[in-house]
Amino acid sequence: DIQLTQSPSFLSASVGDRVTITCRASQGISTFLAWYQQKPGKAPNLLIYAASTLQSGVPSRFSGSGSGTEFTLTISSLQPEDFASYYCQQLNSYPPYTFGQGTKLEIK
Amino acid sequence: EVQLVESGGGLVQPGGSLRLSCAASGFTFSSYSMHWVRQAPGKGLEYVSAIGSNGDTTHYADSVRGRFTISRDNSKNTLYLQMGSLRGEDMAVYYCARVRAGFSGYDFWGQGTLVTVSS
Repeated sequence: DIQLTQSPSFLSASVGDRVTITCRASQGISTFLAWYQQKPGKAPNLLIYAASTLQSGVPSRFSGSGSGTEFTLTISSLQPEDFASYYCQQLNSYPPYTFGQGTKLEIK
Repeated sequence: EVQLVESGGGLVQPGGSLRLSCAASGFTFSSYSMHWVRQAPGKGLEYVSAIGSNGDTTHYADSVRGRFTISRDNSKNTLYLQMGSLRGEDMAVYYCARVRAGFSGYDFWGQGTLVTVSS
């Protein structure tokens, strides 16, 4: 099975900061990677699919990049509503479609 | 408007069974693969099971294989997860999720239903 490792697990930042979260896959997955945001008590929300394509309705301050085994999610200028947990997920050709362990983004 | 509404969660004793349902509306249900994802209290997301658009292909995470069964009724626009031999580690919020066209992510999620396993 493909493993995903996110870093960091916790991130403290301020409004207006630029932040980057990394997701590394245990083997190459081309660009079959998605990013989700989850707020407490809510279902996750798709931000990015195919590693770098912004889901409809998602603010342009979110961006994704990478291919193969290393991927990044960048928030260009943090807004108060961005403080949440973030997860990557691989959807390579064969299941299980594993998630990273998550990154909790907190207000500094 | 796309909606996914889970039901069927609740308190069950270890070793017991439960059936979750996910009622879909606002889209052509029979055209989409559907998955179940769970989240234990305070933990991350865990893929549980997948089913193809017409129900012919299914897959399970190792942690639930042989105990859970995924199915769907396209005439009723409903996805199911039959859970058996439940264990403490199965306690979680269970979400159904629609797989985006191109199999590139889950573009819609239900609100989740809580399964509590306790004696």
